[in-house]
Amino acid sequence: NAGVMQNPRHLVRRRGQEARLRCSPMKGHSHVYWYRQLPEEGLKFMVYLQKENIIDESGMPKERFSAEFPKEGPSILRIQQVVRGDSAAYFCASSPQSSGAYEQYFGPGTRLTVT
Amino acid sequence: DQQVKQNSPSLSVQEGRISILNCDYTNSMFDYFLWYKKYPAEGPTFLISISSIKDKNEDGRFTVFLNKSAKHLSLHIVPSQPGDSAVYFCAVYDQTGANNLFFGTGTRLTVIP
Repeated sequence: NAGVMQNPRHLVRRRGQEARLRCSPMKGHSHVYWYRQLPEEGLKFMVYLQKENIIDESGMPKERFSAEFPKEGPSILRIQQVVRGDSAAYFCASSPQSSGAYEQYFGPGTRLTVT
Repeated sequence: DQQVKQNSPSLSVQEGRISILNCDYTNSMFDYFLWYKKYPAEGPTFLISISSIKDKNEDGRFTVFLNKSAKHLSLHIVPSQPGDSAVYFCAVYDQTGANNLFFGTGTRLTVIP
């Protein structure tokens, strides 16, 4: 049973470019969460999605960031016109429908570097 | 506003001794508490959890203690092993509120052989 998969593991973008981060949840999991970890900080919640629905995006910056979890395929976190401050590790987590949201399993993360 | 605080950024312990990691939270609505372990270049891995109806939960070498009146939880690892060296995050959850976990800033544990 494969765990949560994220790709790419490392992504380098120049300022102004777009970054797309992908997350495939564990098999049978229908809930996906995205977190961001800035250097020397803890993980900060960004968005919670179920298939084809954004349930809670209260942690997402209002501009340039968007997320989706289509009926088929991985969840995508999209950052437009990246800036240096977007450099961070982005973690995806998934949980099964039947559990509380606290039972989250994390992927290995995507480390985004903006030059 | 930091709702979950881990005031010790690092901790060094001799192999075989006890490691005690601490975590404080501010919101009394939090009712589920977790510890995650994180190695470099990997995602957090769930370690142990405790519900607010309990004050202690034990799993092998790992024990989590919850003091609700003080809004404080701690993780005890005994005996500590070199493989325990990692960053430990406490996380809290409000079952009636937001859908996400709130994480502390982490404590880097180094177990010295």
